[in-house]
Amino acid sequence: DIVMTQSPDSLAVSLGERATINCKSSQSVLYSSNNKNYLAWYQQKPGQPPKLLIYWASTRESGVPDRFSGSGSGTDFTLTISSLQAEDVAVYYCQHYHSTPIAFGQGTRLEIK
Amino acid sequence: EVQLVESGGGLVQFGGSLRLSCAASGFTFSTSAMNWVRLAPGKGLEWLSAISGIRGTTYHADSVKGRFTISRDNSKNTLYLQMNSLTAEDTAVYYCAKPGPDGDWGPQYFQHWGQGTLVTVSS
Repeated sequence: DIVMTQSPDSLAVSLGERATINCKSSQSVLYSSNNKNYLAWYQQKPGQPPKLLIYWASTRESGVPDRFSGSGSGTDFTLTISSLQAEDVAVYYCQHYHSTPIAFGQGTRLEIK
Repeated sequence: EVQLVESGGGLVQFGGSLRLSCAASGFTFSTSAMNWVRLAPGKGLEWLSAISGIRGTTYHADSVKGRFTISRDNSKNTLYLQMNSLTAEDTAVYYCAKPGPDGDWGPQYFQHWGQGTLVTVSS
């Protein structure tokens, strides 16, 4: 089974500054047959369902602000928020969908400093 | 517009059973894989189960294998999760989720989510 580990567990960033969240998988989530990384990122705010931000490690979901970007390949991935806004306060999760069982990272809580 | 509406949550005693439903609309339900994911208090998202579209092949996390069963009724556009032998660790908000691409079994990143239904297991 592929285990997803995020770092840090929590993060405080000043408004307008960059926020970076890391995600590491215990095995590669890159399929060589199509050269795609089976990795997604979600944002979850209290009392709301998760919201898909990024899939295929770097493809932004429609409607997601371009301050959100995803990068990485194989086992190491990063979600970057280029200029933190107040509405970005949330918990962020990575998820692999390379194989079953599908798994999420433990989450990273992002707050305003 | 894709809509997913969960129901069936509530308070249940330790060792009891519950069946959750997820009513789907706005897409061709019968040809889309579907999933259940939960969020327990103070914990992170946990993938539980998936079922493929037409073939109905099922997948379960080890934590619920043998206790939870995912199923679907394509004639009613409804997804189910039968939960047995419930413990306090099953207390959570349960979400149904639809992957982005349609198809019997495509990449399972979750583009659409329901609002969730709360299950509370009391001892």
